Amino acid sequence: QVQLQESGPGLVKPSETLTLTCAVSGYSISSGHYWAWIRQPPGKGLQWIASIYYNGNSYYNPSLKGRVSISMDTSKNQFSLRLNSVTAPDTAVYYCARGVENLVRGELTYWGQGTLVTVSS
Amino acid sequence: SYDLTQSPSVSVSPGETARITCSGDELTKQYGYWYQQKPGQAPVLVIYKDSERPSGIPERFSGSSSGTTVTLTISGVQAEDEADYYCQSSDSSGNYFVVFGGGTKLTVL
Repeated sequence: QVQLQESGPGLVKPSETLTLTCAVSGYSISSGHYWAWIRQPPGKGLQWIASIYYNGNSYYNPSLKGRVSISMDTSKNQFSLRLNSVTAPDTAVYYCARGVENLVRGELTYWGQGTLVTVSS
Repeated sequence: SYDLTQSPSVSVSPGETARITCSGDELTKQYGYWYQQKPGQAPVLVIYKDSERPSGIPERFSGSSSGTTVTLTISGVQAEDEADYYCQSSDSSGNYFVVFGGGTKLTVL
């Protein structure tokens, strides 16, 4: 059974960089599939942030491009998100998820439980 | 940007049929996907590729596509189906690979 678990700071100061990690168990991320980050501000809807393919190709939401980067560490079987220059609107529950094997636009079949990140001084 | 439009809310009584729609210009060319999200939980995929149902999802959940609209239908709604539902799709330009609709709150009366 594939499981994903997000980890990171619960509180980040404005203008700082947010770094989140998604640890994957039950599947080797170097074997295939797309891996994604999605966020959800409190009381609001879902927003896709970025995806990375098992070969390292990355894809970003244009509205966040320039502030965000996604990477993978196959030795630790995890992938990460960095979001620069955070502000209050970046406060959200951040989810990591696994996509399908061969289509970045495809469904997200496994999700982590999510981690709340609050941006505040 | 590319937007998917969902009605904010739908209300039905138990046993009735709920239909939740999602509209977007690119839905004529791209698949639609549906997720169910209950309070405090991560989303769960209930429909993929417009009308396919993942294993473990009850048969009362079905999906369809017509023109620029995809529809999630829940037949014989149960109290446990009360949740937020989000559609997902993409544009064809190669810019917006994953886009979510604003979500629809399904209330079971």
